[in-house]
Amino acid sequence: DTEVTQTPKHLVMGMTNKKSLKCEQHMGHRAMYWYKQKAKKPPELMFVYSYEKLSINESVPSRFSPECPNSSLLNLHLHALQPEDSALYLCASSQDPSTDTQYFGPGTRLTVL
Amino acid sequence: GQSLEQPSEVTAVEGAIVQINCTYQTSGFYGLSWYQQHDGGAPTFLSYNALDGLEETGRFSSFLSRSDSYGYLLLQELQMKDSASYFCAVVSGNTGKLIFGQGTTLQVKP
Repeated sequence: DTEVTQTPKHLVMGMTNKKSLKCEQHMGHRAMYWYKQKAKKPPELMFVYSYEKLSINESVPSRFSPECPNSSLLNLHLHALQPEDSALYLCASSQDPSTDTQYFGPGTRLTVL
Repeated sequence: GQSLEQPSEVTAVEGAIVQINCTYQTSGFYGLSWYQQHDGGAPTFLSYNALDGLEETGRFSSFLSRSDSYGYLLLQELQMKDSASYFCAVVSGNTGKLIFGQGTTLQVKP
């Protein structure tokens, strides 16, 4: 099973809402990632979790709050977002942080009104 | 800084061969990866080169020259379904940080 799942597929939220994006993998991978992708642009790394610990935060605003409850799950909590945060949010995992292959989930299409 | 350069667009006809080049400037280079992304979809891993030379996987091949900081993705016997964006990416160090090029949009015409 080389699948990373993400929920929800689509999300529309107002600037005062609080919502969470969820990601799950059952490949036994020990590194998980959040990326943000705008249209016609490459994915941009937001966070890296390595062995359930946050190892990289790419200077992401605090309105994005990641959480890794266990080795299979990764959440991204959203609060007080701005319209410019509308994007495709991708979760990925790899066997460990030094492994070349990252497997991406289908993404959550987020629209902030 | 770290950067990857690849052409923004490539057009080819069905059945043809196309090569997408990628030059990179990074520190802590471990290897060069290629990802395919269809419109509305997620990036899908295609190949990885850590050593110089050619890696072949079916219709797709990938090449790396570390001394030239250069690699390419070769797509043979093009099919309409190959129309997609193709990203080269490097893993920077052992942190898992994947740095992507800007992507090449491949359009395959009948």
